[in-house]
Amino acid sequence: DGGITQSPKYLFRKEGQNVTLSCEQNLNHDAMYWYRQDPGQGLRLIYYSQIVNDFQKGDIAEGYSVSREKKESFPLTVTSAQKNPTAFYLCASQFRQGGNQPQHFGDGTRLSIL
Amino acid sequence: RKEVEQDPGPFNVPEGATVAFNCTYSNSASQSFFWYRQDCRKEPKLLMSVYSSGNEDGRFTAQLNRASQYISLLIRDSKLSDSATYLCVVNENSGYSTLTFGKGTMLLVSP
Repeated sequence: DGGITQSPKYLFRKEGQNVTLSCEQNLNHDAMYWYRQDPGQGLRLIYYSQIVNDFQKGDIAEGYSVSREKKESFPLTVTSAQKNPTAFYLCASQFRQGGNQPQHFGDGTRLSIL
Repeated sequence: RKEVEQDPGPFNVPEGATVAFNCTYSNSASQSFFWYRQDCRKEPKLLMSVYSSGNEDGRFTAQLNRASQYISLLIRDSKLSDSATYLCVVNENSGYSTLTFGKGTMLLVSP
């Protein structure tokens, strides 16, 4: 089945620790996105990537880093610089930029602080 | 600052009712529009795109008014399974397709 797979489903971070969230898609989509959702809030864009080896900061990139070494994969690292990491993290992909293309989401990773 | 505003709800309706969600957006250059559905503690899922001429998918009807920068979603004959949060989403389409999400309107359909 084609889709977007995020792992792990739940993740706990210790103080001062970096953690990496995985996002893989087999939809042959060009663009990939990371969002953060806090309770009662809309989704906020962290980073996005339009093509391999290229990515751009979104609205709340501070304390996060990404890489896009393969078209299928767009991992997100939550660094120790991110002081309030507890949230629901959603990865999305899109066939191509522009036009009337919707984004499709993975089932998310819930990150909490220990 | 680009914004998408929705009524936070919740909307409590009985089964079989018709319910309408409204959404306004601030960027007049916005190019494409979507409604997503998000169940509790789950990811958003595309419900339908919104086209300029309006479009319908079964019990769901979406409308766009570009002059008023207003989008609507109408659900007829509500089912218990329609209970969810409905997200209004706008694509600025300014060279790349980042989306701006509303905070969502919660719908609770009761027997």
